[in-house]
Amino acid sequence: DQQVKQNSPSLSVQEGRISILNCDYTNSMFDYFLWYKKYPAEGPTFLISISSIKDKNEDGRFTVFLNKSAKHLSLHIVPSQPGDSAVYFCAASATNFGNEKLTFGTGTRLTIIP
Amino acid sequence: EPEVTQTPSHQVTQMGQEVILRCVPISNHLYFYWYRQILGQKVEFLVSFYNNEISEKSEIFDDQFSVERPDGSNFTLKIRSTKLEDSAMYFCASSVLGQSLANYGYTFGSGTRLTVV
Repeated sequence: DQQVKQNSPSLSVQEGRISILNCDYTNSMFDYFLWYKKYPAEGPTFLISISSIKDKNEDGRFTVFLNKSAKHLSLHIVPSQPGDSAVYFCAASATNFGNEKLTFGTGTRLTIIP
Repeated sequence: EPEVTQTPSHQVTQMGQEVILRCVPISNHLYFYWYRQILGQKVEFLVSFYNNEISEKSEIFDDQFSVERPDGSNFTLKIRSTKLEDSAMYFCASSVLGQSLANYGYTFGSGTRLTVV
């Protein structure tokens, strides 16, 4: 039951260029979407989130776009830096008060080439 | 910056043994979670906990699993009789209140790597 899918297991991008990571979901009850970054032997680190009532949220070099009709979201990183090399997880939540269970995608390994 | 602390970082146990994974959530947080990641797979929800009781649990969280907040600061995950397929990274997480996802998600610990042999 893959409610959140990241179809690209890996992505390589030149330093300074734009990195675009994609995520698709199937559950129309999801109302929050998040991106987490994960280094080996560490826990996921929150990057950016978006509510289902918005279509864009920006924080510095990171922008998340949400297309509800297509059930698709993407994370843009501009400009990409070597420190951005990590596994990126898309996650979604259908919140009911207090319980913010996250459903994660399988992750995309981003490699920034110097 | 406040952290979620997990101990031990790595636990090796024999199949059939009981293990307890420990977590110290951020002090003013009220909601607690356990997730796990089997090597090479996605991070999976196990259980959420609020007000000293389970809010929701996944189908993975069967009778072999239990959670407890024994002393107001620690949050533990117990696996009663470990199986080989329980080998995974286990992540604890906490959040200050519901509806926090819009602003800062919630905070994960660094994980405990459980190896069942």
